Amino acid sequence: EVQLLESGGGLIQPGGSLRLSCVASGFTFTSYVMSWVRQAPGKGPEWISAVGVGGDRTMYVDSVKGRFTISRDNSKNTLSLQMSSLRGEDTGVYYCANIGGWGTFAGNWGQGTLVTVSS
Amino acid sequence: IVLTQSPATLSLSPGERATLSCRASQSVTIYLAWYQQKPGQAPRLLIYDTSNRATGIPARFSGTGSGTDFTLTISSLEPEDFAVYYCQQRHSWPLTFGGGTRVELQ
Repeated sequence: EVQLLESGGGLIQPGGSLRLSCVASGFTFTSYVMSWVRQAPGKGPEWISAVGVGGDRTMYVDSVKGRFTISRDNSKNTLSLQMSSLRGEDTGVYYCANIGGWGTFAGNWGQGTLVTVSS
Repeated sequence: IVLTQSPATLSLSPGERATLSCRASQSVTIYLAWYQQKPGQAPRLLIYDTSNRATGIPARFSGTGSGTDFTLTISSLEPEDFAVYYCQQRHSWPLTFGGGTRVELQ
């Protein structure tokens, strides 16, 4: 059974930093580009970042460039997202998922972790 | 690539046919997926690469289209099908989602 288990969310003040993690199991982690997708309250999903199978290629949506860093540890089947200079508009549920890019796709999502940026 | 879904809301009864549209601002070839999302849950993959049903998805769900115009059809709505549906393209960066279509009970 495919499982993606996110952790690290919470309440953080504007300007603060947070690190999210996602542990994968049940599939060949090293075969898939992995992404972070967020969903603001009452809104649709928004892709924010992806990392290639080897960890050397990364992509970001413009709104998080320079503030968020995606990485993966293939030895631990783990995906991470380091978030800094957080803003209110970064509030939402953050999902890890393998939803495509550079030729790979599986469509699996984790259950999500909630990030709330507020003073 | 901007994905525009229509209608925003579809009010139907169980047993009726639902037709959801997703239009892309430029061609995504066949790389279009459909997801279903219920409150408090993660999106669930229904259809990938335009017309392929994901594992375990009932045959009443079908996808068609190519290029810029895509359709998700639910042939006969079951009570558990009332939810929000999103399309997503993986043809080019950034990956993008449509704004969603809510299928609600009439």
